[in-house]
Amino acid sequence: SQTIHQWPATLVQPVGSPLSLECTVEGTSNPNLYWYRQAAGRGLQLLFYSVGIGQISSEVPQNLSASRPQDRQFILSSKKLLLSDSGFYLCAGGGEPQETQYFGPGTRLLVL
Amino acid sequence: KQEVTQIPAALSVPEGENLVLNCSFTDSAIYNLQWFRQDPGKGLTSLLLIQSSQREQTSGRLNASLDKSSGRSTLYIAASQPGDSATYLCADNTDKLIFGTGTRLQVFP
Repeated sequence: SQTIHQWPATLVQPVGSPLSLECTVEGTSNPNLYWYRQAAGRGLQLLFYSVGIGQISSEVPQNLSASRPQDRQFILSSKKLLLSDSGFYLCAGGGEPQETQYFGPGTRLLVL
Repeated sequence: KQEVTQIPAALSVPEGENLVLNCSFTDSAIYNLQWFRQDPGKGLTSLLLIQSSQREQTSGRLNASLDKSSGRSTLYIAASQPGDSATYLCADNTDKLIFGTGTRLQVFP
């Protein structure tokens, strides 16, 4: 099975600062990769997904962007953080659609 | 657009009870249905994946069923234990995961 690594585990950033969250995948090649956000008391929202290097699809308009510079690396970024970007960010990976997806441990982001 | 709903939102039960968690979805053209567990402040752990050709899956004390015609899936937990306390999420896994809002379960000794 796959292992999804995410870091950092917790991040506190001031409003207007940049952001870079990294996710790497172990145990598979050419995975589909996903970034989700879970706001306090709310469900999981899909932000971005990628089916290959350089291929990014955005699900919702927002202040964030994603990149996939390598097959097993997925990065979530922002140039200027907003208070509303606070939340729990989860990276997930899987094979073909409809197969099991595996989740990383998450990054808790607090924007002050 | 698929919408996934989970009832109840929260559940507190004594140890040893058998539980049923419900998941309903509006679009019956679902391919797979997946159940996850999330411990506080942690990522998601996949519990069971029910493929469209299956009606149920079992893993230990967990049994999940899928009825596409009625737009429902249930997760049955037998002989609940305090270690089962967590939030349980179901998701339509047809193309991209579409999650319900979860059921927060607390099992007390």
